[in-house]
Amino acid sequence: AQSVTQPDIHITVSEGASLELRCNYSYGATPYLFWYVQSPGQGLQLLLKYFSGDTLVQGIKGFEAEFKRSQSSFNLRKPSVHWSDAAEYFCAVVVNGNKLVFGAGTILRVKS
Amino acid sequence: DAGVIQSPRHEVTEMGQEVTLRCKPISGHNSLFWYRQTMMRGLELLIYFNNNVPIDDSGMPEDRFSAKMPNASFSTLKIQPSEPRDSAVYFCASSLSLGSPYEQYFGPGTRLTVT
Repeated sequence: AQSVTQPDIHITVSEGASLELRCNYSYGATPYLFWYVQSPGQGLQLLLKYFSGDTLVQGIKGFEAEFKRSQSSFNLRKPSVHWSDAAEYFCAVVVNGNKLVFGAGTILRVKS
Repeated sequence: DAGVIQSPRHEVTEMGQEVTLRCKPISGHNSLFWYRQTMMRGLELLIYFNNNVPIDDSGMPEDRFSAKMPNASFSTLKIQPSEPRDSAVYFCASSLSLGSPYEQYFGPGTRLTVT
């Protein structure tokens, strides 16, 4: 069955440091992949998506992600983290036409 | 654009009571999704509609849960009778099935507490 794994439940980084959040997927065909961010008490906001083409995709808020088929990964990166980036991040894959399957999420803490 | 609107934002009810959650999708979107988020199970898709028709309700936990979409601008998720294990945050999301069909826009959620 198609699935998404986010191996890190919590990550803490210093403000200004670089960030990488890991996502691995299990899917036979070329996947449609997403990263969403959820701030406390809020809904999910789409950061970026990968459908096809260039494997490095740019998103909002300075985030980017790289699709690596050989590693079944779609890791999210940001070169310099801001305190406002503290939130929970979800990786997701489309299955069965129109359904999103989400990973368990990674909580990002930013220390000053 | 007002985004996806959900009401109420918070609901506290007693076990056995009926609960109705409401959602207004983004105007022009033709797909609507109901999700449940808990600490134990994460984000789960309960049901989704396309053009007001339920397409996949395999995630609906049991017969106590029902969802309707009487028109393109309104959907409800009903729990009757409610149980404490239904306590969760329920999200509604909508998308447009043309163009970028998988970009789902989420509402702020309804936090349900069943005592």
